[in-house]
Amino acid sequence: GEDVEQSLFLSVREGDSSVINCTYTDSSSTYLYWYKQEPGAGLQLLTYIFSNMDMKQDQRLTVLLNKKDKHLSLRIADTQTGDSAIYFCAESKYGGSQGNLIFGKGTKLSVKP
Amino acid sequence: NAGVTQTPKFQVLKTGQSMTLQCAQDMNHNSMYWYRQDPGMGLRLIYYSASEGTTDKGEVPNGYNVSRLNKREFSLRLESAAPSQTSVYFCASSSGTSEDNEQFFGPGTRLTVL
Repeated sequence: GEDVEQSLFLSVREGDSSVINCTYTDSSSTYLYWYKQEPGAGLQLLTYIFSNMDMKQDQRLTVLLNKKDKHLSLRIADTQTGDSAIYFCAESKYGGSQGNLIFGKGTKLSVKP
Repeated sequence: NAGVTQTPKFQVLKTGQSMTLQCAQDMNHNSMYWYRQDPGMGLRLIYYSASEGTTDKGEVPNGYNVSRLNKREFSLRLESAAPSQTSVYFCASSSGTSEDNEQFFGPGTRLTVL
């Protein structure tokens, strides 16, 4: 079956690193995503990783993928108050027109000054 | 480019009333999606349209119908609203051809059914 799990809350201090974790169950997933939702807004893609990669870095964001444990993490370096949002992990088996996403419930990140 | 737009932004209905949520995208995307977001539940797919002229059920289709009017527009209809349909509804689109399948989301419609 397909299920994506995340912890619901994370609180960090400004300037610290944040690590948001996600586990998924479908080993055939080809793409894994991190989306960000700011209050009152829709979701915005932050980054994604293809299943044949272990790590992807994009400025302050680092994504780590452990396929053996079906574990995905998002690290935000030097976390700022503007990073406060809900972060969703999502998986997709297919690209292109068959690319339905399965979302986790979201992790609410609170950044304290 | 406006991206994905949704109307209305807010709506209050009485039980049994009907309404249509509108969604349009100007990115020439093939695929479009309707999700609902409920507290503690994440996003759940209601219906999707892989390409113009096709629609398919998602995880929670009961109580909803959709129409892919043309390539730009994908509407969601509630024929007889129920309090359980109180939620925030998001429309999304994706190119349907790119490998990464990035989905672009609208700002959402907050629906309350009394």
